[in-house]
Amino acid sequence: AQSVTQPDIHITVSEGASLELRCNYSYGATPYLFWYVQSPGQGLQLLLKYFSGDTLVQGIKGFEAEFKRSQSSFNLRKPSVHWSDAAEYFCAVGGGSQGNLIFGKGTKLSVKP
Amino acid sequence: NAGVTQTPKFQVLKTGQSMTLQCAQDMNHNSMYWYRQDPGMGLRLIYYSASEGTTDKGEVPNGYNVSRLNKREFSLRLESAAPSQTSVYFCASSWDWTETDTQYFGPGTRLTVL
Repeated sequence: AQSVTQPDIHITVSEGASLELRCNYSYGATPYLFWYVQSPGQGLQLLLKYFSGDTLVQGIKGFEAEFKRSQSSFNLRKPSVHWSDAAEYFCAVGGGSQGNLIFGKGTKLSVKP
Repeated sequence: NAGVTQTPKFQVLKTGQSMTLQCAQDMNHNSMYWYRQDPGMGLRLIYYSASEGTTDKGEVPNGYNVSRLNKREFSLRLESAAPSQTSVYFCASSWDWTETDTQYFGPGTRLTVL
């Protein structure tokens, strides 16, 4: 069965520092991978997605993610974090048995001034 | 273009009360979904509608019913609310019911059952 693991529940980084959020997936075939962001009290917004091709994917708000099949990972990165990036980040894999996304449990990002 | 809209934004119910959560999308999407979000659990699928006229159970359907009223609207009904249904409910839609289709989410309904 498909699954997504986000090992870090909560991460704190200083403003201007680099960021990497980890995501590992379990999926039998070619995975379709997504990163969503949820700001406090808001819905989920798509940051980026990977279906095939170039394994480094660019998204909105300066985020990027790299697909590594050998490590079953799809880590999210940003070179310089802004205070407005404080939010919860969800990794997801498409292809659930009901057409749904399989979500990780999320990583909450806090940004120190 | 409002995307996916949900009403109400907040709701408090007493145990045993019923209510319907409304969802509408204006993107002409074929597929719609209802998820619930609980702390430390991520999002879990309650029900989905692959296309107008069809609905199917997801991972956690017990205690819920849905109606795909038309292509735009997909409602979620709690017939007899229980405290375990305290959660944040998200509606989502996608062009089609395939693993590559991006799902777009509404702002959520925060439900508390006392």
